[in-house]
Amino acid sequence: DVKVTQSSRYLVKRTGEKVFLECVQDMDHENMFWYRQDPGLGLRLIYFSYDVKMKEKGDIPEGYSVSREKKERFSLILESASTNQTSMYLCASSSLPRAYLGSEKLFFGSGTQLSVL
Amino acid sequence: AQSVTQLDSHVSVSEGTPVLLRCNYSSSYSPSLFWYVQHPNKGLQLLLKYTSAATLVKGINGFEAEFKKSETSFHLTKPSAHMSDAAEYFCVVSDISGANNLFFGTGTRLTVIP
Repeated sequence: DVKVTQSSRYLVKRTGEKVFLECVQDMDHENMFWYRQDPGLGLRLIYFSYDVKMKEKGDIPEGYSVSREKKERFSLILESASTNQTSMYLCASSSLPRAYLGSEKLFFGSGTQLSVL
Repeated sequence: AQSVTQLDSHVSVSEGTPVLLRCNYSSSYSPSLFWYVQHPNKGLQLLLKYTSAATLVKGINGFEAEFKKSETSFHLTKPSAHMSDAAEYFCVVSDISGANNLFFGTGTRLTVIP
């Protein structure tokens, strides 16, 4: 089975801190995604990557950046954390080439609940 | 533009009774539709997907969903609820290839009463 591992289950940070959320997948998937999950809003795409060093903005990229130096690892970076970034962050991966994204299932990690105080 | 509406934020059923979770979508093209389930403290897991083949789609754990183009609906059903079905369920629509075109509903929390 595909395993998507997020390094922290819970994280508490202070306003203004630089925060790194790490995600690793073990199935050599091309595509990796970062979503934010908030009650009543569902999941919203922050960034995705379809190859090493390649990235594209999702629907809510403001205040975030990403890094994909190796195929298996996709990092989400909060340059200067703010209280409105308190949320559940979900990483996902999928295997199909970029042209077929949207027709294949995503494999999700268990999430990182980030609290910014 | 595509969108998805989950009509109920919370559904409560008794164990052994049918489950109905409603989803309506809006799409300019032939959509792909998915249902995902999220158990507490877990990531999302695919239940089933529709990609223009049979309109009645069977998924895992006894769930199924029917694509009704005329009603723009993709409701999730199960004949008999089990305690382990208690979770949050997300309906997802995609009609153009590309990660930016996966739209998640706001979720329906299913409670199963013993």
